[in-house]
Amino acid sequence: GEDVEQSLFLSVREGDSSVINCTYTDSSSTYLYWYKQEPGAGLQLLTYIFSNMDMKQDQRLTVLLNKKDKHLSLRIADTQTGDSAIYFCAERGLTGGGNKLTFGTGTQLKVEL
Amino acid sequence: ETGVTQTPRHLVMGMTNKKSLKCEQHLGHNAMYWYKQSAKKPLELMFVYNFKEQTENNSVPSRFSPECPNSSHLFLHLHTLQPEDSALYLCASSQDQVGGRTGELFFGEGSRLTVL
Repeated sequence: GEDVEQSLFLSVREGDSSVINCTYTDSSSTYLYWYKQEPGAGLQLLTYIFSNMDMKQDQRLTVLLNKKDKHLSLRIADTQTGDSAIYFCAERGLTGGGNKLTFGTGTQLKVEL
Repeated sequence: ETGVTQTPRHLVMGMTNKKSLKCEQHLGHNAMYWYKQSAKKPLELMFVYNFKEQTENNSVPSRFSPECPNSSHLFLHLHTLQPEDSALYLCASSQDQVGGRTGELFFGEGSRLTVL
């Protein structure tokens, strides 16, 4: 099956930028996603990027996609304590019927004062 | 009401018990999903229902039995579970199995299951 890999932990200081990285194997990916899971909650879509784009910016969030290397990153500018959460990378490929999302392990972001 | 509601939020059961997890969505979606979230492992898709029909069973052991009586409700029946089945079980829904333009899933808060 297809794989999505991301590191398990990231710690940053408040006010710094956070960069969460993800690699995937599915060459047929159409959309790639970043979901956020706050403590005690389910996952919530944060942002997504279509596979023919290489960058998307949304306020403090910047998504970079290197399709050749199958590498996705999420940059959070001016990271705040409220950004502490688990961030899941996911990709949607054409294999298996179209809406099978493959998720990574999640990266736990800890923001320190 | 929140979009996707799961009950119970926490469940402790013995290996010989029978219990059920319930999920209800108020978004008018037609596709519903069960995911398993375990520490340090990728989020694992278990089952998919589209218009009440099961369209995916991701090689899930038969001790997990899903039921989808209508597009708004999804159950996961649990029987003779193992301690390694302890995890957070997440329900999600989407517009349909294709997921509309972006394929966004809407998740519930999860049911934390502990098997003793």
